[in-house]
Amino acid sequence: DVKVTQSSRYLVKRTGEKVFLECVQDMDHENMFWYRQDPGLGLRLIYFSYDVKMKEKGDIPEGYSVSREKKERFSLILESASTNQTSMYLCASRHPGRGFFGELFFGEGSRLTVL
Amino acid sequence: SQQGEEDPQALSIQEGENATMNCSYKTSINNLQWYRQNSGRGLVHLILIRSNEREKHSGRLRVTLDTSKKSSSLLITASRAADTASYFCATDVSGYSTLTFGKGTMLLVSP
Repeated sequence: DVKVTQSSRYLVKRTGEKVFLECVQDMDHENMFWYRQDPGLGLRLIYFSYDVKMKEKGDIPEGYSVSREKKERFSLILESASTNQTSMYLCASRHPGRGFFGELFFGEGSRLTVL
Repeated sequence: SQQGEEDPQALSIQEGENATMNCSYKTSINNLQWYRQNSGRGLVHLILIRSNEREKHSGRLRVTLDTSKKSSSLLITASRAADTASYFCATDVSGYSTLTFGKGTMLLVSP
């Protein structure tokens, strides 16, 4: 059974703290993604990675960075958390190829509250 | 940027009824996908329909695609309380690196 695992379901952090959100997939997927989901705004892409050591900005990268040192792991980093980064964060992965964008496999989400 | 827009935003029905959700999009697509999200959980892929397909079935799900109108619909037949969830359409647009999601339709199925 394919799996995308996000390290924390719920986190509470203080303004200014550095926050790490970890995501691990066991499907040998090349592509991994970080989205945030907010009421009324849907899913917005923060960063994605085509392969190890590679990263690309999505629609809302400001205030975030990412790390992809190993194929199975994609980390989202909030260098200095702010209250407007309170959100649900969703990690996803996919296997590229076959000439079209196939399905995304999502983790269970990490709900971050910044006080 | 938002590409797909679901309609209605919320839908409330009784068990056994059919539920229809619509998705409109703006630019040409390679394929369109539907996802389901239970409250507070991740998204789960339901079905993918390619731009050259008009209709696709999977169990109680039926998806249609009308590329001339840039719209898709998801029909869930004989709804169950367990179908209560949010449903999202997502489009694969040429030249864009990932799927673009709509804001979702919240479906409530009452016993």
